[in-house]
Amino acid sequence: GAVVSQHPSWVICKSGTSVKIECRSLDFQATTMFWYRQFPKQSLMLMATSNEGSKATYEQGVEKDKFLINHASLTLSTLTVTSAHPEDSSFYICSALTSGGAKDTQYFGPGTRLTVL
Amino acid sequence: DAKTTQPPSMDCAEGRAANLPCNHSTISGNEYVYWYRQIHSQGPQYIIHGLKNNETNEMASLIITEDRKSSTLILPHATLRDTAVYYCIVRYTGANSKLTFGKGITLSVRP
Repeated sequence: GAVVSQHPSWVICKSGTSVKIECRSLDFQATTMFWYRQFPKQSLMLMATSNEGSKATYEQGVEKDKFLINHASLTLSTLTVTSAHPEDSSFYICSALTSGGAKDTQYFGPGTRLTVL
Repeated sequence: DAKTTQPPSMDCAEGRAANLPCNHSTISGNEYVYWYRQIHSQGPQYIIHGLKNNETNEMASLIITEDRKSSTLILPHATLRDTAVYYCIVRYTGANSKLTFGKGITLSVRP
């Protein structure tokens, strides 16, 4: 299957600072990438859809000014959590969509665990 | 997207087949059935997907009923490493089509 990486795998930061998470598709180009968040013992919740070269589309209730998404190339999307607070502590997971009609599939990165102190 | 229902949990013995059921009674004609799994503290792993024909790959088989209202994921020889939460999701293909995760089914493989 296709490979998606994330960096960093974990990060601890102080309240009020910003954190950037990178998502890369390693062996395929992805016009569309997705960002999810997962709190303990809960399922994944979609935060936003990121399309290369255009603005991201955010799900209802997700603050676009707090969670900045940039998809500047076909293999890289970044999520920046601005002015992070303890309630932003979560497991952030990206996915990249392969193209190809019936074969199109989202492949997920390993996730980034964010802890805000 | 159409919703799916899965039992909350099941277990099976190592080496035996694990049959994971999923109901999707409101699936529409061009929605696919996707299966992912998530091992603790990792990103979801794609397993398989299909439209109406049965599908098989190196990981699993997907059996979709003729009316497409339900499906079964089969892990032919479960191992301890198959212990995970398995998600059954229905989705259209295309860039604007999202994956909506439910609670999934927790599969526990016992020695």
